[in-house]
Amino acid sequence: NAGVMQNPRHLVRRRGQEARLRCSPMKGHSHVYWYRQLPEEGLKFMVYLQKENIIDESGMPKERFSAEFPKEGPSILRIQQVVRGDSAAYFCASSPSGRETQYFGPGTRLLVL
Amino acid sequence: EDQVTQSPEALRLQEGESSSLNCSYTVSGLRGLFWYRQDPGKGPEFLFTLYSAGEEKEKERLKATLTKKESFLHITAPKPEDSATYLCAVQAVNTGNQFYFGTGTSLTVIP
Repeated sequence: NAGVMQNPRHLVRRRGQEARLRCSPMKGHSHVYWYRQLPEEGLKFMVYLQKENIIDESGMPKERFSAEFPKEGPSILRIQQVVRGDSAAYFCASSPSGRETQYFGPGTRLLVL
Repeated sequence: EDQVTQSPEALRLQEGESSSLNCSYTVSGLRGLFWYRQDPGKGPEFLFTLYSAGEEKEKERLKATLTKKESFLHITAPKPEDSATYLCAVQAVNTGNQFYFGTGTSLTVIP
């Protein structure tokens, strides 16, 4: 049973470009969460999605950031017009329901030049 | 605001020297407390879930306990391969399904 998959594992973008991060949840999991981790800081919640629905986006910046989890395919976290402050590790987690343990992927490390 | 505080920030142990890591939390209505291990460059790896005060979970050299205000991760006779950052997270009843994470304890076990 494959775990949570994320790609790419590393992503380099120049300021002003777009970054697209993908997450495929564990088989049987329909709840997806995105977190951001900055050096020396804890994981910070960004957004919680179920298939075709954003349930909670309270941790996501209002501008430039968006997320989706379509009926078919992976969840996507999109960052438009990236700035250097967006450089971080972005982790996706999934769970079978909203009240159970979340299992994390290996993360995407975004570097903005 | 809900808070999760882990201590110490860093811990160095000799191989075989047992110790405990602390996670204190202030949430109004705990739904669950979760322990993860994170190795450099990797995602958090799930260790334990605790739901109510008095509950204990054990796995190999690790044992997690929970009270109404804090959780402990006890490490018995650690080995160098136990070196990692240990993360604590809580899920609260009234704040949706997100996890609130502490900043972790970086454990180094010296042979």
